[in-house]
Amino acid sequence: DQQVKQNSPSLSVQEGRISILNCDYTNSMFDYFLWYKKYPAEGPTFLISISSIKDKNEDGRFTVFLNKSAKHLSLHIVPSQPGDSAVYFCAAKMYNAGNMLTFGGGTRLMVKP
Amino acid sequence: KAGVTQTPRYLIKTRGQQVTLSCSPISGHRSVSWYQQTPGQGLQFLFEYFSETQRNKGNFPGRFSGRQFSNSRSEMNVSTLELGDSALYLCASSLLGQYSGANVLTFGAGSRLTVL
Repeated sequence: DQQVKQNSPSLSVQEGRISILNCDYTNSMFDYFLWYKKYPAEGPTFLISISSIKDKNEDGRFTVFLNKSAKHLSLHIVPSQPGDSAVYFCAAKMYNAGNMLTFGGGTRLMVKP
Repeated sequence: KAGVTQTPRYLIKTRGQQVTLSCSPISGHRSVSWYQQTPGQGLQFLFEYFSETQRNKGNFPGRFSGRQFSNSRSEMNVSTLELGDSALYLCASSLLGQYSGANVLTFGAGSRLTVL
């Protein structure tokens, strides 16, 4: 039972354009959502997060949108750069579960020059 | 400051053997979590330790165990290895032990285990 899903295993975008990565969840107890980026042979690196009481959080080129009613979040990268090419994981946590993260399966983003 | 350090980075074992992986968290971080990453199952939570106590455990068999030492360093052990245990094992540390939405996990580079 996958509680966090990333339905697109890969995404290819031209440099300078917008990248939109999507994530769906089923557990309404999740109250905080995070995006991590992972390069090969490295551990995931934290990118941006959003609380369930918000619907948008922005940090430079990265914006995360949360639609609680649809149980859907998305990560927008504008403009996309070749260095953004990596695997992106969305993750969720809930109040009574310490620091436990439930991850989606990841989306491989390729930004072409 | 130094990041999360995991050793060894790569190792090969045979079925039936056991393995111990080590994790040194960021200085001052007292919470250590372990995750397994496989192509089929993605990133899955194994367990979390805080102040030498296991706080949460994922849905893994009892062959997977861990511990945390007084200096916050952690080890995980897998006994009676199976082919399906081949994976990247990631350790993450965080500053806060109690739940905080904004508390971010910092991951190490992982230990890649291959079981033959």
